[in-house]
Amino acid sequence: SQQGEEDPQALSIQEGENATMNCSYKTSINNLQWYRQNSGRGLVHLILIRSNEREKHSGRLRVTLDTSKKSSSLLITASRAADTASYFCATGYNNAGNMLTFGGGTRLMVKP
Amino acid sequence: GAGVSQSPRYKVAKRGQDVALRCDPISGHVSLFWYQQALGQGPEFLTYFQNEAQLDKSGLPSDRFFAERPEGSVSTLKIQRTQQEDSAVYLCASSLAPGGRTDTQYFGPGTRLTVL
Repeated sequence: SQQGEEDPQALSIQEGENATMNCSYKTSINNLQWYRQNSGRGLVHLILIRSNEREKHSGRLRVTLDTSKKSSSLLITASRAADTASYFCATGYNNAGNMLTFGGGTRLMVKP
Repeated sequence: GAGVSQSPRYKVAKRGQDVALRCDPISGHVSLFWYQQALGQGPEFLTYFQNEAQLDKSGLPSDRFFAERPEGSVSTLKIQRTQQEDSAVYLCASSLAPGGRTDTQYFGPGTRLTVL
């Protein structure tokens, strides 16, 4: 079963707009990672944010982490049609062994 | 450099057949993971190797699932007597350090298994 939850489950925007996706998790984490998955392909790592960090940037991507609310957000600025994909957050829980625990994903569609 | 590769990319099996899925991790990566991804859902953990040692197999859904990494590099996930509910994409990931939850995991393209 999925441990994290992404919100929204699906998002449709126009090219050039910003896209925000949220992720909530349940217990103490070591880090939270965001991945992108294009249809029929593997997962591509986007950003890793550690529990002692609050914000991280990578190009058009901005990730925030609020450990008091057990939530994270991924912002994609100036979206492009090529950003169309599913986005997953994955947590490294402190008490859950070595695996990553994934949410159900947000399906983003960027219309040209 | 080369990423994680998996083969075959697609596998169709008749119910009851055995299948073997291969993963070639990034060279030098200590940790290797197998995940199962059902249609429309996020990946779910199956098993974890540190070098050749299988340290966690808590996610394997039944004793029909078996994984090995005998020389600490290539890994094989074997499913015996496949059932329709085994239909999914099987993803392999590797990370450089031991204990992959603290490190970036790099994923392969997956093997899509369809059991008829």
